[in-house]
Amino acid sequence: AQSVTQPDIHITVSEGASLELRCNYSYGATPYLFWYVQSPGQGLQLLLKYFSGDTLVQGIKGFEAEFKRSQSSFNLRKPSVHWSDAAEYFCAVAGNTGFQKLVFGTGTRLLVSP
Amino acid sequence: DAGVTQSPTHLIKTRGQQVTLRCSPKSGHDTVSWYQQALGQGPQFIFQYYEEEERQRGNFPDRFSGHQFPNYSSELNVNALLLGDSALYLCASSPSGTGGASYNEQFFGPGTRLTVL
Repeated sequence: AQSVTQPDIHITVSEGASLELRCNYSYGATPYLFWYVQSPGQGLQLLLKYFSGDTLVQGIKGFEAEFKRSQSSFNLRKPSVHWSDAAEYFCAVAGNTGFQKLVFGTGTRLLVSP
Repeated sequence: DAGVTQSPTHLIKTRGQQVTLRCSPKSGHDTVSWYQQALGQGPQFIFQYYEEEERQRGNFPDRFSGHQFPNYSSELNVNALLLGDSALYLCASSPSGTGGASYNEQFFGPGTRLTVL
């Protein structure tokens, strides 16, 4: 069964500093990988996804993520954080066969300090 | 394009009652999945509907049931509510496919916040 680990519950970053959110997954083959963002009281917005091909994927709002098969990781990065990036970030995995559900990590709350 | 819509936005119920939540998928999508997000947790998959049938189910009791209508909209029903059912319930829609990449891309609605007292 798939699983996702986001080891950081909270992260505080100064505005303008770089950001990296960690995500490790467990799956027997190459999965589909996703990063979602959730603002308070809101649903989930897809930031980026990896299905195959280039292991560095670009997303919306200046985010990118790198798939590293050897480390079973899919870390999210942003070179310069803006105050509006403060939110909850979820990494998710889905199997690459059939009609698979999304399995989410427990999330990382990003706080941005002035 | 209205995206995925859910109703109601908020709901307060008491233990033992029953509740129905509704979801309209994004235009062009025919598959609907439901997720439960407890406070401080990531969403957990409840079930998925396609062609008016439950196609997959997560680890949730039979008190959780659903329905999909011919227009692809969906309902989530929860019977005999428990305090632990308090959560944000998210609906996600996706286009059907042959199991390829496009199928797994799910678009989420804003959710229904259920509080059980």
